Amino acid sequence: GQQLNQSPQSMFIQEGEDVSMNCTSSSIFNTWLWYKQDPGEGPVLLIALYKAGELTSNGRLTAQFGITRKDSFLNISASIPSDVGIYFCAGQLGWGAQKLVFGQGTRLTINP
Amino acid sequence: EAQVTQNPRYLITVTGKKLTVTCSQNMNHEYMSWYRQDPGLGLRQIYYSMNVEVTDKGDVPEGYKVSRKEKRNFPLILESPSPNQTSLYFCASSFSRGGTGELFFGEGSRLTVL
Repeated sequence: GQQLNQSPQSMFIQEGEDVSMNCTSSSIFNTWLWYKQDPGEGPVLLIALYKAGELTSNGRLTAQFGITRKDSFLNISASIPSDVGIYFCAGQLGWGAQKLVFGQGTRLTINP
Repeated sequence: EAQVTQNPRYLITVTGKKLTVTCSQNMNHEYMSWYRQDPGLGLRQIYYSMNVEVTDKGDVPEGYKVSRKEKRNFPLILESPSPNQTSLYFCASSFSRGGTGELFFGEGSRLTVL
């Protein structure tokens, strides 16, 4: 299947620091999405991006859809303890949720 | 409350003993899907369903079966589980067959096959 390369695989930061993670692919995607998985729960959608170049914010989270349509990044500003979890990027190759491809995930750990 | 409900949440079984993981959603979603999550591999799609009686294989369908007899339910069946099916399983649904990738996930079912 298609591959998304998500990095870093894990991050250990201090509370209050900013966080940046990204996803790249050799394929062109129509949509990029970012999900967060809290410990013991299912992933929850954070941000969805639908146009190349689009920059979208959701509180302290900012995500961008790369101009080439082959990459996306997610930034978290001023991290807090509840930001702990696994963040997944997902790219949609065409129309239809069945065409969603997930990255390997970035595990975020925060030291208080 | 809108939700996707999976059962069981945790299960330990033995090789070859058939099991079913149930999934039910109360949002009247047409699209439903099963994923497995393994360390370093992210979420991989097992099977999906665009509507009642319409199912198709995802990226890792071997060893699994599904059925979609009702819109709200999408059970995952392991006819003869093997240790390599030890994983964390998620059911997800979406509001339309087309789907924009905005999936609603269940809380997960952790399966261990001995």
